[in-house]
Amino acid sequence: SYVLTQPPSVSVAPGKTARISCGGNNIGSKSVHWYQQKPGQAPVLVIYHDSDRPSGIPERFSGSDAGNTATLTISRVEAGDEADYYCQVWDSSSDHVAFGGGTKLTVL
Amino acid sequence: EEQLVQSGAEVKKPGESLKISCKGSGYSFANYWIVWVRQMPGKGLEWMGIIYPGDSDTKYSPSFRGQVTISADKSISTAYLQWSSLRASDTAMYFCARQQELMEPNDYWGQGTLVTVSS
Repeated sequence: SYVLTQPPSVSVAPGKTARISCGGNNIGSKSVHWYQQKPGQAPVLVIYHDSDRPSGIPERFSGSDAGNTATLTISRVEAGDEADYYCQVWDSSSDHVAFGGGTKLTVL
Repeated sequence: EEQLVQSGAEVKKPGESLKISCKGSGYSFANYWIVWVRQMPGKGLEWMGIIYPGDSDTKYSPSFRGQVTISADKSISTAYLQWSSLRASDTAMYFCARQQELMEPNDYWGQGTLVTVSS
């Protein structure tokens, strides 16, 4: 099955830029989606198809995907961005979805 | 307004059966896939499987095939996740979510159903 690897944690000061990576074999050829999950809540889609933002998601959230790494970038980080973030892809070879293990973003 | 509403929290004993539900509204339920995702306490998201209510086409993660059954009744816009014999290790929050195509993202999620299995 397809494996996605995320760092367990990322810390960033308010106003700075956070980058969360998602590694996978030739992930650049796949469509990557990113979700934000706050404690006690359902996940929320923040980036889809590598770099598109759903309506209502701030422009501070952006995504990129090339080679073996996809990246979620959060600019001008705010305290409210503190959450767990998950990457996701559809693996057509196995006909199922893979989730990354999740990254806990801490705002210092 | 598109919405997925899940059934309420359950407390069960090991060996008991259970069926939880996910009801869609505000969109054409039959034309969107419904996925089930497990989140064990303090852990990450795990993809369990997916169903297309229009024709009941179902795909399971190898980790969950044979452990659960996913079904749907498009006439009442409801998808189900069921167990025939629960284990303590099934204790988790279960989310349903929809997606338009297999490669598409999950744009709407249910609120989650907490299942607790304890003797």
